[in-house]
Amino acid sequence: ETGVTQSPTHLIKTRGQQVTLRCSSQSGHNTVSWYQQALGQGPQFIFQYYREEENGRGNFPPRFSGLQFPNYSSELNVNALELDDSALYLCASSTGHRSGANVLTFGAGSRLTVL
Amino acid sequence: KNEVEQSPQNLTAQEGEFITINCSYSVGISALHWLQQHPGGGIVSLFMLSSGKKKHGRLIATINIQEKHSSLHITASHPRDSAVYICAAAGNMLTFGGGTRLMVKP
Repeated sequence: ETGVTQSPTHLIKTRGQQVTLRCSSQSGHNTVSWYQQALGQGPQFIFQYYREEENGRGNFPPRFSGLQFPNYSSELNVNALELDDSALYLCASSTGHRSGANVLTFGAGSRLTVL
Repeated sequence: KNEVEQSPQNLTAQEGEFITINCSYSVGISALHWLQQHPGGGIVSLFMLSSGKKKHGRLIATINIQEKHSSLHITASHPRDSAVYICAAAGNMLTFGGGTRLMVKP
């Protein structure tokens, strides 16, 4: 049984650039959720994808967008990067469509630094 | 006011001590998660519970739905328990507490 893999692990971008982060879900899981964790704070829910459709979104602007593919892997895209986007981005996979209603398996995260 | 509050924010204990971390939430939930995060960022799910009590090894999690409160207990604490412990409430979306940074000294 494979876990959740995220890539890249670290990256540095400049303001205004765009970034794509990737996440492979655990075998048997059909739901992927994304979280932003600023330094020293708890994670914040960005959005969730269930069977290739976004089915929940936190308080993040539209420049945060995502995709889920038929194999249930997922991408998080952030356009027009701002300095405050610097954070650890975590994805988690699970089963079922209700956010947080099932056990989550987290990836190790992608640490984004915006200069 | 955050919808999920944890206390304490920081906790230092001696090896062997009994530890309690508290989590209060203000939203209606379907489940409450306890997570462990080690330096470097990786998060491990410890418990998901919607009522009562769960136990796994030296870890015990309890929840009181009426009082909207959950606790995570660690018995016979060990330096390898040093980590950040985060509770997360599953309402309309998953809402996280700010975490409790635990250091267990030998």
